[in-house]
Formats: sequence, structure tokens, C-alpha cells
Amino acid sequence: GAVVSQHPSRVICKSGTSVKIECRSLDFQATTMFWYRQFPKQSLMLMATSNEGSKATYEQGVEKDKFLINHASLTLSTLTVTSAHPEDSSFYICSASTGGNEQFFGPGTRLTVL
Amino acid sequence: GQQLNQSPQSMFIQEGEDVSMNCTSSSIFNTWLWYKQDPGEGPVLLIALYKAGELTSNGRLTAQFGITRKDSFLNISASIPSDVGIYFCAGSNAGGTSYGKLTFGQGTILTVHP
Repeated sequence: GAVVSQHPSRVICKSGTSVKIECRSLDFQATTMFWYRQFPKQSLMLMATSNEGSKATYEQGVEKDKFLINHASLTLSTLTVTSAHPEDSSFYICSASTGGNEQFFGPGTRLTVL
Repeated sequence: GQQLNQSPQSMFIQEGEDVSMNCTSSSIFNTWLWYKQDPGEGPVLLIALYKAGELTSNGRLTAQFGITRKDSFLNISASIPSDVGIYFCAGSNAGGTSYGKLTFGQGTILTVHP
């Protein structure tokens, strides 16, 4: 139980294009989903928290117009990196929660912007 | 804001040895979680602790929630090569506007030599 998938697992794109990453909870309904960014050998940095049907809450320093989050259903959240640039290259990980303190993580998406 | 100090930052051990790592916080949490992350993957939940003083085991792993609610440790007994990875502690206080946000430690990189 508590399986979370992410798609795609890897994406390479040209600078200036937009990239959408999907996060799905496969066997449970996720009241809340979280999006993280992780640099090599570093801890996870929370970008935003999203609840189904409402606007995402972004952490300080994260541009909401740059990283668009949609949480349209209890099993799906999407992160769109708009007008991606090389500095946006990173490992993006989502997690899902049923509202308690445990979060279940997806396998991550490696974004490379050329 | 809340910060977690996780130590050690890295460990190099021989197969069969026991491992211990810990996290301390400047403020209290009502849940402590321990995750393991393999390279290129998302973190996987190992143990969740919900009560001060709680001691919980999962196979060769044992974790404790400190009495002060400001610390936790994780022990791995009789390490094996597949224990290699990065271990993260995380604290959480669900409820209110926090939506179960996790505060992560810096991670402990574990290397096991056969």
C-alpha cells in the first residue's frame, strides 16, 4: 500500500520550454501532496504544499508563476516548470499524505535543461 | 524556524557491523520519521514514531522517539551491503496550517564494505 508514482522519471528539454511532471497516489486518496526539489548529496527542499481543489501554498523563495502546481483530484497533482532554464535542472520529488504526519514519496523526476 | 541536526553526516562501515545515527531538534515534534533514499530514487519510509519514548523495530532497524520530543535515533544491526544509501530523519507536527509538513535532517550517507 501507499504507492506514489511520478511521470516522467527523466526529462531533457531545451531552455525556454515548459515541462509538466505528474504525481499520482495509486492505492490511496491523498488529501495533501507536496513537491520537493533535491540537489546532489543534499536534503529535500520543500517547494510547495497542495490540497485537492485549492491553490498551492508555496515556500518562501519559490516562484509560484515559475512552478505551477495543480491538484485537480485526490490522486493526481502536477508540477509545471514554465520557461525552464539550466538552473532549474534538478531532481524533483513529490509526496502524498492522507492528512496525517506520514508522507509517501514518489520515485522522483530528473530534469535536465539544456 | 525549526531545524534538525542529523549526525553523523557519513559513515563507512564493514558488513556485519551495527550502525547508529541520530537527530536533534531545536523544538518539539509530535511525529518522527526515518526514511532511506537510494541513488536516483525517492525516499522510502522505514519507521514512523508517534509517541515520546516510543521504541519501534522494523526487522534489523530500531528507532526511538526521545522523551523530550526533540530527538530521535535510528539503529541498524548487522549491516548488509544493501543498507547502503542516504538516511534522513524528519519531524512533523500535523494540524493547523502545517498540513503535516516535514522538516528534514541533512541526511547520513551510509557506505557498507563487504
